Amino acid sequence: QAVLTQPASLSASPGASASLTCTLRSGINVGAYRIYWYQQKPGSPPQYLLKYKSDSDNQLGSGVPSRFSGSKDASANAGILLISGLQSEDEADYYCMIWHNSASVFGGGTKLTVL
Amino acid sequence: EIQLVESGGGLVQPGMSLRLSCAASGFIFDNYGMHWVRQAPGKGLEWVSGINWNSGKMAYADSVKGRITMSRDNAKKSLYLQINSLRPEDSGLYYCTKDTHDYGDYGDAFDMWGQGTMVTVSS
Repeated sequence: QAVLTQPASLSASPGASASLTCTLRSGINVGAYRIYWYQQKPGSPPQYLLKYKSDSDNQLGSGVPSRFSGSKDASANAGILLISGLQSEDEADYYCMIWHNSASVFGGGTKLTVL
Repeated sequence: EIQLVESGGGLVQPGMSLRLSCAASGFIFDNYGMHWVRQAPGKGLEWVSGINWNSGKMAYADSVKGRITMSRDNAKKSLYLQINSLRPEDSGLYYCTKDTHDYGDYGDAFDMWGQGTMVTVSS
């Protein structure tokens, strides 16, 4: 079982909100980890969006709109990237990441379609 | 402006070696940890290796351990990745990235990325 699992795809309408999940493998407690989120558009390198551990320990990347925010669902053992007021430019692949056992681990990515 | 420019990729046969380079500019290079992250065509991101500011601390992904050596030259503001015994599954775009961790360590966000250099392993 992968360390981080993301849904392969998600669709949402312009102006709506999208909630992207990143589920940690059983036995790895989301509460102990800082979750990082990256956005990648076709033909471009990833861009850092934000990191979230708790409401008091989180940070938006430089220049990232406040429409992007992070949270956790402890009951689902998952990190969440929330994008509000969806715009067509938000259509991209989104990756979550954690530091686990001194190594960086990425989720498989979610392709967000805005239509 | 912060820039990371990778080079050294190309088409190589299985079993051969390759050395990738990353030239950094626009920031105090020896203040930060650095990483290599790769992406196979049409696939997701995979962290390959990380190094702290003075090369005193390094880590490698299990998938490449034993075949890869990461190094840096702070005087030249450059990062390197030596890949030996190349396999077809090593094919992909290799990105150089900068860590945001304080005091030159690594283990935080990757806030800057290069455009990548493509490695294709095929006979």
